[in-house]
Amino acid sequence: DAGVTQSPTHLIKTRGQQVTLRCSPKSGHDTVSWYQQALGQGPQFIFQYYEEEERQRGNFPDRFSGHQFPNYSSELNVNALLLGDSALYLCASRARTSGLVYEQYFGPGTRLTVT
Amino acid sequence: GENVEQHPSTLSVQEGDSAVIKCTYSDSASNYFPWYKQELGKRPQLIIDIRSNVGEKKDQRIAVTLNKTAKHFSLHITETQPEDSAVYFCAASRNYGQNFVFGPGTRLSVLP
Repeated sequence: DAGVTQSPTHLIKTRGQQVTLRCSPKSGHDTVSWYQQALGQGPQFIFQYYEEEERQRGNFPDRFSGHQFPNYSSELNVNALLLGDSALYLCASRARTSGLVYEQYFGPGTRLTVT
Repeated sequence: GENVEQHPSTLSVQEGDSAVIKCTYSDSASNYFPWYKQELGKRPQLIIDIRSNVGEKKDQRIAVTLNKTAKHFSLHITETQPEDSAVYFCAASRNYGQNFVFGPGTRLSVLP
């Protein structure tokens, strides 16, 4: 049973560039959330996707966008990269349709460095 | 929106002692409170969680307590071991597992 997977593991980009990060949820999960974790801080919620639609969004600018595919995998896109976007980007999945199961499981993250 | 505070930011204990980490939340509608352990360079891992209809939950050496009236919840680790050394994050969520608001983390060091 595969857990949450993310790619790539590391990425270096230049200011102003665009980046796409990918996530495959844990088997049986249909809801994907993205978090940004700056060094030494707790993860901050970016947005959540379910049924291929953005359902909730945290306090992040429109430069951050996403997509969910029919197989429940998801992408996070960040445009016009800023130095402050350097962080660990975590994907988390859960099974929304499983009734009382609330647990959310994280992937290993993508370390993005913007220079 | 929800705000989660966490204390202490760092905690050092001797092996075999107990460790307690406390979190407070602001949104009385929050109803699900997980705790995650994150080792250096690794993903956050769920170690225990509690729902708002429960006051306490225990899993071997780990326990979590929730005081809804005071809006705070705590993680208790007994008989600490060196492998317990990590950063621990608390989180709060509305609607049972919608977006999580995380605390800033507690770095726990268990000294041999």
